[in-house]
Amino acid sequence: GDSVTQMEGPVTLSEEAFLTINCTYTATGYPSLFWYVQYPGEGLQLLLKATKADDKGSNKGFEATYRKETTSFHLEKGSVQVSDSAVYFCALLSGSARQLTFGSGTQLTVLP
Amino acid sequence: EAEVAQSPRYKITEKSQAVAFWCDPISGHATLYWYRQILGQGPELLVQFQDESVVDDSQLPKDRFSAERLKGVDSTLKIQPAELGDSAMYLCASSSPGTLGIFGPGTRLTVL
Repeated sequence: GDSVTQMEGPVTLSEEAFLTINCTYTATGYPSLFWYVQYPGEGLQLLLKATKADDKGSNKGFEATYRKETTSFHLEKGSVQVSDSAVYFCALLSGSARQLTFGSGTQLTVLP
Repeated sequence: EAEVAQSPRYKITEKSQAVAFWCDPISGHATLYWYRQILGQGPELLVQFQDESVVDDSQLPKDRFSAERLKGVDSTLKIQPAELGDSAMYLCASSSPGTLGIFGPGTRLTVL
C-alpha cells in the first residue's frame, strides 16, 4: 500500500536558519504530493502541493520539488521565523478514491 | 472564507461512556472524511463519505465506532463504549471534485 516516511523530529532551529524536512514515499502510479502544517490546537492547513514529477510547490517561503527518481518531496525554507513553529506533515494522494496518506509529522521549533 | 466546522473542540470522558462528534462540511462539498490523529502520529482515515453513502470504512473499528451522514450534509461520528486508546484528535475534512480536502479544527478527545 501507499506510505509516506518523514524525517523524525523534533527539529529545533534558530531564527533565520535554513530548514530541510525530508520526505520519501511509496505509491503505485503517479501520486500527488503535499505538505500540510498544523499549528498548536488547530487542524491541518495545506501548505503546498505538486501534482507531477519535477513540479515545485511553493508558499510562504517554503518550497518542495517532486522527485520521481528518488521518490522524495523534501520541504525547504531559506530563513525560518518563530512563527513557523508547528508540526509539518508530508502526504500523498493516489487512486480514484482520493484519500490522503500522511507521514508521521515533524515538529519544528524556531527559537528567537 | 468557507470553513469546516466541528464540535465540540474538546471532550473529556470516562472509559465505557459514549461520545459523539459533529462535523459540518463546506457547503456543496460532496465528499466528507473522518480522520483520527493519535498524538505524535499523522492522521489516519477512519471513514469516507460520498454524499450520504460510505465509500470507505475499512479502517473504522466497527465494534465501537459508527458514522453517519444521513442527508449528505453534516456528519456524526460516535464511539460507544470509549476506551483509553481512543484518546486522539478527530479531524473532519471535506472536498469537491478538483479540490483537495479542507480540514476542520478537530475535536480533541481524552478518555480517562
